[in-house]
Amino acid sequence: KNQVEQSPQSLIILEGKNCTLQCNYTVSPFSNLRWYKQDTGRGPVSLTIMTFSENTKSNGRYTATLDADTKQSSLHITASQLSDSASYICVVSGGRRGVTGTASKLTFGTGTRLQVTL
Amino acid sequence: EAQVTQNPRYLITVTGKKLTVTCSQNMNHEYMSWYRQDPGLGLRQIYYSMNVEVTDKGDVPEGYKVSRKEKRNFPLILESPSPNQTSLYFCASSRKAGGLTGELFFGEGSRLTVL
Repeated sequence: KNQVEQSPQSLIILEGKNCTLQCNYTVSPFSNLRWYKQDTGRGPVSLTIMTFSENTKSNGRYTATLDADTKQSSLHITASQLSDSASYICVVSGGRRGVTGTASKLTFGTGTRLQVTL
Repeated sequence: EAQVTQNPRYLITVTGKKLTVTCSQNMNHEYMSWYRQDPGLGLRQIYYSMNVEVTDKGDVPEGYKVSRKEKRNFPLILESPSPNQTSLYFCASSRKAGGLTGELFFGEGSRLTVL
């Protein structure tokens, strides 16, 4: 069964500190891995997308890593800001054949809720 | 501005009263999808569409219907809503369906309560 597990479930850090969020997956076949940021009550917004051959990808203060051998990814946030307070969702894309043809299936983790405080 | 627009954003209804949540995208995307988000369960796919007149079931399609008569619109229909369909719903779109290597754009969400 395709699964995406994230840890920790929640995290509180002081403004200016760094943090790392973890994602383990069992999705097969693997196509790509995405990290999304979701503010409370809003739709998820893409941070990074990584394919099998990419080990690391940055988007400003966000750096994602991918180890396709161990099926693990991490999202590192540097010099956190209050605006980083949100849920961070790991999403893995894998192939699936439906009745209408082949489309990638996205398997979503349940997210890590990050709170940045003063 | 590129966006996915959902309506209504908030709705309270009663069991059995048919309702439709609309979704429209202005990016000429082929792929559109509906998700529901419940506490502790993450986003789960209800239905998806790879193009006009092409739809398929996701992981939790029971109690829902969809249609894709135009490329930009992908309405979600609840023929006879029940309390277990109380949830936060998201519509999303992407340029292409196969491989889904492109970014998935989400709407702002529709919070539905069924009494």
